[in-house]
Amino acid sequence: AQSVAQPEDQVNVAEGNPLTVKCTYSVSGNPYLFWYVQYPNRGLQFLLKYITGDNLVKGSYGFEAEFNKSQTSFHLKKPSALVSDSALYFCAVRGNNNDMRFGAGTRLTVKP
Amino acid sequence: EAGVAQSPRYKIIEKRQSVAFWCNPISGHATLYWYQQILGQGPKLLIQFQNNGVVDDSQLPKDRFSAERLKGVDSTLKIQPAKLEDSAVYLCASSLVAGAFWEQFFGPGTRLTVL
Repeated sequence: AQSVAQPEDQVNVAEGNPLTVKCTYSVSGNPYLFWYVQYPNRGLQFLLKYITGDNLVKGSYGFEAEFNKSQTSFHLKKPSALVSDSALYFCAVRGNNNDMRFGAGTRLTVKP
Repeated sequence: EAGVAQSPRYKIIEKRQSVAFWCNPISGHATLYWYQQILGQGPKLLIQFQNNGVVDDSQLPKDRFSAERLKGVDSTLKIQPAKLEDSAVYLCASSLVAGAFWEQFFGPGTRLTVL
């Protein structure tokens, strides 16, 4: 079965520092991977996706993610964090019926 | 482009009562999803529609949950009777078609509290 895991419940970084939010996946076949962000009292917003092609995927708000097949990882990154990036981040993988299988989420806190 | 609309935004009920949630997807989106997000967890798919037909409802507790998508546009999700463990945010999402190439767009959710 398709699944993802987010090993960190919480990530804290200082504003201006690079950030990484980790995600590993387990799939049969080719992985279709996604990152979503959730701000308080709002729905999930799409950040980026990996379907095929370049291992480095660029998305919204300056975020990017690196697909690593050998490590079965799809970590979310940003070179310079902003306080406004503080939110809940979800990694997801496409399920067998084209639904989304989400990880448990990682709460990112960026401190001024 | 208008986003996915959901109502109500918040609902508080007592256990054993009934509740219904409404979702209006983005215009033209054929696929509609209902997810349940329990506090501290990622969203879990309850049911997926393609137009007005059900594609996947394997994780829908059918003894108490029901959903319909009449005319392939709006959808309602109903819980009858509600249990304490149904307290969660119910998210509706839609996509242009069902497929990995089309991301899902999510509504703001309905936060249900069962007392």
